[in-house]
Amino acid sequence: AQSVTQLGSHVSVSEGALVLLRCNYSSSVPPYLFWYVQYPNQGLQLLLKYTTGATLVKGINGFEAEFKKSETSFHLTKPSAHMSDAAEYFCAVSSTGTASKLTFGTGTRLQVTL
Amino acid sequence: EPEVTQTPSHQVTQMGQEVILRCVPISNHLYFYWYRQILGQKVEFLVSFYNNEISEKSEIFDDQFSVERPDGSNFTLKIRSTKLEDSAMYFCASRELPGELFFGEGSRLTVL
Repeated sequence: AQSVTQLGSHVSVSEGALVLLRCNYSSSVPPYLFWYVQYPNQGLQLLLKYTTGATLVKGINGFEAEFKKSETSFHLTKPSAHMSDAAEYFCAVSSTGTASKLTFGTGTRLQVTL
Repeated sequence: EPEVTQTPSHQVTQMGQEVILRCVPISNHLYFYWYRQILGQKVEFLVSFYNNEISEKSEIFDDQFSVERPDGSNFTLKIRSTKLEDSAMYFCASRELPGELFFGEGSRLTVL
């Protein structure tokens, strides 16, 4: 069984400040990890993913995340927030099996203030 | 760029009515999924489909739900007799290989 915990349902940062959205996972097998972003009234867009290889992965819009196996974490960061980053962010995990489904966290709503 | 398309974008129905949500996955993808998101809640897995059969389903996916790939391109979710609590955004997704899912824009279902 797999699960994802996102600490903080709401995060507010000032424009230009560091964004840090936390994600911890639980998986009995090596995981694939993902961050998706959802803008209001829109679908889910992949920000970045970790499958194998380099543990620091870079995604779109300046976001990156680091897979830390020892901490079972996959936190999302961005050095400088922009107003357009305001959205809901979902961390998700899947197994490496061929028919594996994604299990999502409860989401973190990011607010960016002036 | 290939994308998953879903219709309708929004459907309003009366409780007890049948609803069919349609999806056209990316053409070379082999694995298909339906997820739902009740307003303000997390995205929940409903069902996965591979090789013309259900490979996994969640507790949510009870006898009121069914999926079908009728013609090799469409992937449909049918809710036989809708309930108020079925009101949600329904997302279709597909993938080729283990890993990233590509999601559609969603179909918002409102049950009155």
